[in-house]
Amino acid sequence: QVQLQESGPGLVKPSETLSLTCTVSGGSISGSNWSWLRQPPGKGLEWIGYIYKNGGGTNYSPSLKSRVTISEDTSKNQISLKLRSVTAADTAVYYCARVEEMATIVAWGQGTLVTVSS
Amino acid sequence: DIQMTQSPSSLSASVGDRVTITCRASQSISNYLNWYQQKPGKAPKLLIYVASSLQSGVPSRFSGSGSGADFTLTISRLQPEDFATYYCQQSYSAPPWTFGQGTKVEIK
Repeated sequence: QVQLQESGPGLVKPSETLSLTCTVSGGSISGSNWSWLRQPPGKGLEWIGYIYKNGGGTNYSPSLKSRVTISEDTSKNQISLKLRSVTAADTAVYYCARVEEMATIVAWGQGTLVTVSS
Repeated sequence: DIQMTQSPSSLSASVGDRVTITCRASQSISNYLNWYQQKPGKAPKLLIYVASSLQSGVPSRFSGSGSGADFTLTISRLQPEDFATYYCQQSYSAPPWTFGQGTKVEIK
Protein backbone atom coordinates (compact mmCIF):
# COMPACT_ATOMS: atom_id res chain seq x y z
CA GLN A 1 0.00 0.00 0.00
CA VAL A 2 1.39 3.35 -1.05
CA GLN A 3 2.23 5.74 1.78
CA LEU A 4 2.93 9.44 1.44
CA GLN A 5 4.89 11.61 3.86
CA GLU A 6 5.23 15.37 3.57
CA SER A 7 8.28 17.11 4.98
CA GLY A 8 9.71 20.60 5.12
CA PRO A 9 9.96 23.70 7.30
CA GLY A 10 7.01 24.41 9.53
CA LEU A 11 7.73 28.15 9.58
CA VAL A 12 8.43 30.36 6.58
CA LYS A 13 8.95 34.12 6.57
CA PRO A 14 6.77 36.38 4.45
CA SER A 15 8.08 36.94 0.88
CA GLU A 16 10.20 33.79 1.06
CA THR A 17 9.68 30.45 -0.71
CA LEU A 18 7.81 27.56 0.84
CA SER A 19 9.41 24.25 -0.12
CA LEU A 20 7.90 20.88 0.69
CA THR A 21 8.74 17.32 -0.28
CA CYS A 22 6.46 14.32 -0.46
CA THR A 23 8.25 11.00 -0.11
CA VAL A 24 6.34 8.04 -1.47
CA SER A 25 6.91 4.54 -0.14
CA GLY A 26 5.38 1.22 -1.09
CA GLY A 27 5.31 2.03 -4.78
CA SER A 28 6.94 4.03 -7.55
CA ILE A 29 5.80 7.55 -8.33
CA SER A 30 6.17 6.76 -12.00
CA GLY A 31 2.94 5.82 -13.62
CA SER A 32 0.75 7.73 -11.16
CA ASN A 33 -0.65 11.23 -11.04
CA TRP A 34 0.10 13.39 -8.01
CA SER A 35 -1.24 16.56 -6.48
CA TRP A 36 -0.65 19.06 -3.74
CA LEU A 37 -3.58 20.50 -1.81
CA ARG A 38 -3.85 22.74 1.20
CA GLN A 39 -6.26 23.58 3.99
CA PRO A 40 -6.01 26.81 5.99
CA PRO A 41 -6.73 26.33 9.69
CA GLY A 42 -10.46 25.82 10.23
CA LYS A 43 -11.24 26.16 6.53
CA GLY A 44 -11.89 24.00 3.48
CA LEU A 45 -9.71 22.22 0.96
CA GLU A 46 -7.94 23.94 -1.93
CA TRP A 47 -6.28 22.20 -4.86
CA ILE A 48 -2.85 23.70 -5.57
CA GLY A 49 -1.73 21.73 -8.58
CA TYR A 50 -1.35 18.45 -10.38
CA ILE A 51 1.53 16.60 -12.01
CA TYR A 52 0.65 14.09 -14.68
CA LYS A 53 2.21 10.67 -14.71
CA ASN A 54 5.24 9.79 -16.75
CA GLY A 55 6.38 13.37 -17.22
CA GLY A 56 3.10 14.45 -18.74
CA GLY A 57 3.32 17.99 -17.41
CA THR A 58 1.66 20.03 -14.72
CA ASN A 59 -1.49 22.03 -14.12
CA TYR A 60 -1.86 24.68 -11.43
CA SER A 61 -4.67 26.54 -9.74
CA PRO A 62 -5.15 29.83 -11.61
CA SER A 63 -5.00 31.73 -8.33
CA LEU A 64 -1.56 30.30 -7.51
CA LYS A 65 -0.13 29.63 -10.94
CA SER A 66 2.30 32.55 -10.95
CA ARG A 67 3.94 31.37 -7.70
CA VAL A 68 3.83 27.56 -7.81
CA THR A 69 6.07 24.83 -9.14
CA ILE A 70 5.39 21.11 -8.68
CA SER A 71 8.05 18.65 -9.78
CA GLU A 72 9.04 15.04 -9.36
CA ASP A 73 12.31 13.25 -8.68
CA THR A 74 11.93 9.65 -9.74
CA SER A 75 15.38 8.72 -8.42
CA LYS A 76 14.26 9.67 -4.92
CA ASN A 77 10.60 8.74 -5.39
CA GLN A 78 9.58 12.22 -4.32
CA ILE A 79 7.16 14.95 -5.38
CA SER A 80 8.07 18.54 -4.54
CA LEU A 81 6.18 21.78 -4.06
CA LYS A 82 7.59 25.28 -4.22
CA LEU A 83 5.43 28.31 -3.48
CA ARG A 84 7.15 31.64 -3.90
CA SER A 85 6.53 35.03 -2.28
CA VAL A 86 4.39 33.66 0.53
CA THR A 87 2.15 35.72 2.77
CA ALA A 88 0.15 34.94 5.90
CA ALA A 89 -2.68 33.81 3.62
CA ASP A 90 -0.54 30.82 2.64
CA THR A 91 -0.57 29.47 6.19
CA ALA A 92 -2.18 26.05 5.92
CA VAL A 93 -1.83 22.30 6.27
CA TYR A 94 -0.31 21.10 3.02
CA TYR A 95 -1.15 17.64 1.70
CA CYS A 96 0.34 15.58 -1.09
CA ALA A 97 -1.95 13.07 -2.71
CA ARG A 98 -2.15 10.37 -5.35
CA VAL A 99 -4.85 10.93 -7.90
CA GLU A 100 -6.48 8.26 -9.99
CA GLU A 101 -8.98 8.34 -12.83
CA MET A 102 -11.79 10.89 -12.65
CA ALA A 103 -9.62 13.05 -10.36
CA THR A 104 -10.27 10.72 -7.46
CA ILE A 105 -7.85 11.23 -4.58
CA VAL A 106 -7.17 7.72 -3.36
CA ALA A 107 -4.21 8.35 -1.04
CA TRP A 108 -3.23 11.29 1.11
CA GLY A 109 -0.22 12.17 3.17
CA GLN A 110 -0.80 13.03 6.80
CA GLY A 111 -0.35 16.70 6.04
CA THR A 112 2.14 19.23 7.32
CA LEU A 113 1.32 22.61 8.85
CA VAL A 114 3.23 25.51 7.38
CA THR A 115 2.94 28.87 9.12
CA VAL A 116 3.98 32.06 7.37
CA SER A 117 5.18 34.54 9.93
CA SER A 118 8.15 36.76 10.65
CA ASP B 1 -14.36 28.07 -12.57
CA ILE B 2 -16.96 25.59 -11.41
CA GLN B 3 -18.27 26.49 -7.96
CA MET B 4 -19.47 23.80 -5.57
CA THR B 5 -21.99 24.66 -2.86
CA GLN B 6 -22.81 22.27 -0.05
CA SER B 7 -25.80 22.41 2.25
CA PRO B 8 -26.17 22.55 5.08
CA SER B 9 -22.84 23.90 6.34
CA SER B 10 -23.40 22.01 9.55
CA LEU B 11 -25.98 19.74 11.10
CA SER B 12 -26.67 18.05 14.39
CA ALA B 13 -27.87 14.47 14.40
CA SER B 14 -28.20 11.48 16.67
CA VAL B 15 -26.74 8.02 16.32
CA GLY B 16 -29.07 6.01 14.13
CA ASP B 17 -30.40 9.01 12.22
CA ARG B 18 -30.55 9.19 8.45
CA VAL B 19 -28.42 12.10 7.25
CA THR B 20 -28.47 13.77 3.85
CA ILE B 21 -25.94 16.29 2.54
CA THR B 22 -26.38 18.03 -0.77
CA CYS B 23 -23.84 19.45 -3.18
CA ARG B 24 -24.72 21.72 -6.08
CA ALA B 25 -22.43 22.63 -8.96
CA SER B 26 -22.56 25.98 -10.74
CA GLN B 27 -22.91 24.07 -14.03
CA SER B 28 -23.55 20.53 -15.13
CA ILE B 29 -20.69 18.21 -14.24
CA SER B 30 -22.26 14.93 -15.42
CA ASN B 31 -21.31 12.42 -12.70
CA TYR B 32 -17.81 13.77 -12.07
CA LEU B 33 -18.36 14.13 -8.34
CA ASN B 34 -16.49 12.63 -5.39
CA TRP B 35 -17.22 12.70 -1.65
CA TYR B 36 -14.65 12.71 1.18
CA GLN B 37 -14.84 12.43 4.96
CA GLN B 38 -12.41 14.32 7.17
CA LYS B 39 -11.97 13.90 10.90
CA PRO B 40 -10.18 16.52 13.04
CA GLY B 41 -6.44 16.51 12.55
CA LYS B 42 -6.60 13.88 9.83
CA ALA B 43 -6.37 13.84 6.06
CA PRO B 44 -9.60 13.40 4.12
CA LYS B 45 -10.71 9.92 3.12
CA LEU B 46 -12.47 8.99 -0.11
CA LEU B 47 -15.99 7.68 0.40
CA ILE B 48 -17.77 7.90 -2.96
CA TYR B 49 -16.45 8.41 -6.48
CA VAL B 50 -18.19 9.24 -9.75
CA ALA B 51 -21.25 10.27 -7.77
CA SER B 52 -22.43 6.87 -6.63
CA SER B 53 -19.62 4.30 -6.51
CA LEU B 54 -18.64 3.21 -3.02
CA GLN B 55 -14.90 3.17 -2.36
CA SER B 56 -13.55 -0.18 -1.25
CA GLY B 57 -13.73 -0.61 2.51
CA VAL B 58 -16.32 2.11 3.06
CA PRO B 59 -19.42 0.94 4.96
CA SER B 60 -22.54 0.41 2.88
CA ARG B 61 -24.50 2.89 5.03
CA PHE B 62 -22.84 5.56 2.89
CA SER B 63 -24.37 6.18 -0.52
CA GLY B 64 -24.21 8.83 -3.20
CA SER B 65 -26.59 9.87 -5.91
CA GLY B 66 -27.18 12.55 -8.49
CA SER B 67 -25.99 13.75 -11.85
CA GLY B 68 -25.80 17.00 -13.74
CA ALA B 69 -25.55 19.72 -11.10
CA ASP B 70 -27.22 18.24 -8.02
CA PHE B 71 -25.79 15.52 -5.83
CA THR B 72 -26.52 13.89 -2.49
CA LEU B 73 -24.52 12.00 0.10
CA THR B 74 -26.65 9.89 2.42
CA ILE B 75 -25.67 8.14 5.62
CA SER B 76 -28.47 5.68 6.27
CA ARG B 77 -27.91 5.08 9.99
CA LEU B 78 -25.42 7.46 11.56
CA GLN B 79 -22.73 5.81 13.67
CA PRO B 80 -20.50 7.44 16.31
CA GLU B 81 -17.49 7.25 13.99
CA ASP B 82 -19.36 9.18 11.28
CA PHE B 83 -19.19 12.50 13.09
CA ALA B 84 -16.86 14.42 10.82
CA THR B 85 -16.77 16.99 8.05
CA TYR B 86 -17.78 15.93 4.55
CA TYR B 87 -16.60 17.50 1.31
CA CYS B 88 -17.75 17.13 -2.27
CA GLN B 89 -15.26 17.63 -5.13
CA GLN B 90 -15.89 18.06 -8.83
CA SER B 91 -13.58 16.66 -11.48
CA TYR B 92 -15.45 17.67 -14.61
CA SER B 93 -13.19 20.36 -15.96
CA ALA B 94 -9.43 20.30 -16.40
CA PRO B 95 -7.50 20.43 -13.14
CA PRO B 96 -7.33 21.90 -10.63
CA TRP B 97 -10.64 20.70 -9.38
CA THR B 98 -12.80 22.37 -6.76
CA PHE B 99 -14.31 21.34 -3.46
CA GLY B 100 -17.44 22.32 -1.64
CA GLN B 101 -17.01 24.31 1.55
CA GLY B 102 -17.74 21.27 3.72
CA THR B 103 -20.56 20.03 5.92
CA LYS B 104 -19.82 19.37 9.58
CA VAL B 105 -21.87 16.57 11.11
CA GLU B 106 -22.08 17.00 14.88
CA ILE B 107 -23.58 15.00 17.71
CA LYS B 108 -27.02 16.11 18.82
